[in-house]
Parts: sequence; C-alpha cells; structure tokens
Amino acid sequence: GQNIDQPTEMTATEGAIVQINCTYQTSGFNGLFWYQQHAGEAPTFLSYNVLDGLEEKGRFSSFLSRSKGYSYLLLKELQMKDSASYLCAVSDSNYQLIWGAGTKLIIKP
Amino acid sequence: IAGITQAPTSQILAAGRRMTLRCTQDMRHNAMYWYRQDLGLGLRLIHYSNTAGTTGKGEVPDGYSVSRANTDDFPLTLASAVPSQTSVYFCASSSLAGGINEQFFGPGTRLTVL
Repeated sequence: GQNIDQPTEMTATEGAIVQINCTYQTSGFNGLFWYQQHAGEAPTFLSYNVLDGLEEKGRFSSFLSRSKGYSYLLLKELQMKDSASYLCAVSDSNYQLIWGAGTKLIIKP
Repeated sequence: IAGITQAPTSQILAAGRRMTLRCTQDMRHNAMYWYRQDLGLGLRLIHYSNTAGTTGKGEVPDGYSVSRANTDDFPLTLASAVPSQTSVYFCASSSLAGGINEQFFGPGTRLTVL
C-alpha cells in the first residue's frame, strides 16, 4: 500500500529552528509537496520538490532524498504565526496526491 | 470572487437526506478536486475532474457523486447521507491536471450527519 509518515505533533520555541520529517512509500513518485494549514483554515502551498536536494524559500526550506523516500521541511526563525499543521503529500505514478496526516507544530514564546 | 468559494460553510444534516456541497472557482483552472479531512487522517480524494465535462473517482468515492458542466463549478452530492460522512470537505483546483501542480483550496465545508 501507499504510506506517508509524519510525526503527529512537535513543539518548538519562538526564534528557534525546527525540522519536520516525512517518509513515504508510494507506487511511483512524481514529486513531493508541503502545505501549511492553520487551524480551521484551508491548506496553502509551501513547496514542491521533484529532484534531490534542498530548496530554500525565505525562512522555509524543503529537502528531498528520493533514494531514501524522505523529505523534511525546515523552518527557521520561528514566529508565533508558524503555529499550524504541516502536510506532506506525494504525487504517485498516477499523478494523484497521497497525503500524510500532518504534523501539528506548536510554537512557545 | 477571488479564488475558490464553497457553500455552505457548515451544515448539520439528518441521515438519509440528500445534500449538495457547492464549489466555484474564478481562476479558469482546468482541474478540480474534492477531499475530505478527518482527524488523524490525511486528506482523502473523493472525486476529481481533469477538465470540464470529465470526472474521475478518487480514493473514497462511495456515497458521493460529482458533475463538471463548466470550468468554474464542481458540486459534490451526497445522495443519502450517513453519519460516517461527517467530515470537513475541501474543494481544490489546479491550473492543469496531474499531481505536479500547486492546488488551491477553498475554505471548506464542515458537515455533520446525525
């Protein structure tokens, strides 16, 4: 079967750095997405990786290793507004997205 | 309108009733999707449409139907609601079909079936 694994919840301190991991086992791979979802709101796009390596976008970076079936989202200089759930999703061989359950990130002052 | 709108925002429905969730986008996107989101589970695809006039089944299509008569609208119908369909429903769209394009999500419909 297809599977996306993420930690359920993480806690970090304002101003610090946090890394959210995602491992996947899917039938085929056509890229990996990260979305942010604040409580009670819709998911919004953060990043897309299809090649191995690190993609940096401001305070957020996303890393992919296709051989290991692994990605992480790195958030730097954490702000209170970063408190949200972070969703990992993989595009499979049929170009359909398989979603992880999400990681709830709690930021403490 | 800017982006994707969904209606209603929330609804409480008696089991056995028919219900249509509405979704409209103004971005002229070709592809549209319906997901449900349940606590502890990832988003699950119910139905999708790669372009107007075509639809396809996702991971959990049973009990739901869709239509795509034009580019902008993609309604989701529950023919006879059951309590297990209690969920938050998100409509999404992307400029092109295929899971390599960013999806834009509507605000969601919170549905409770009693």
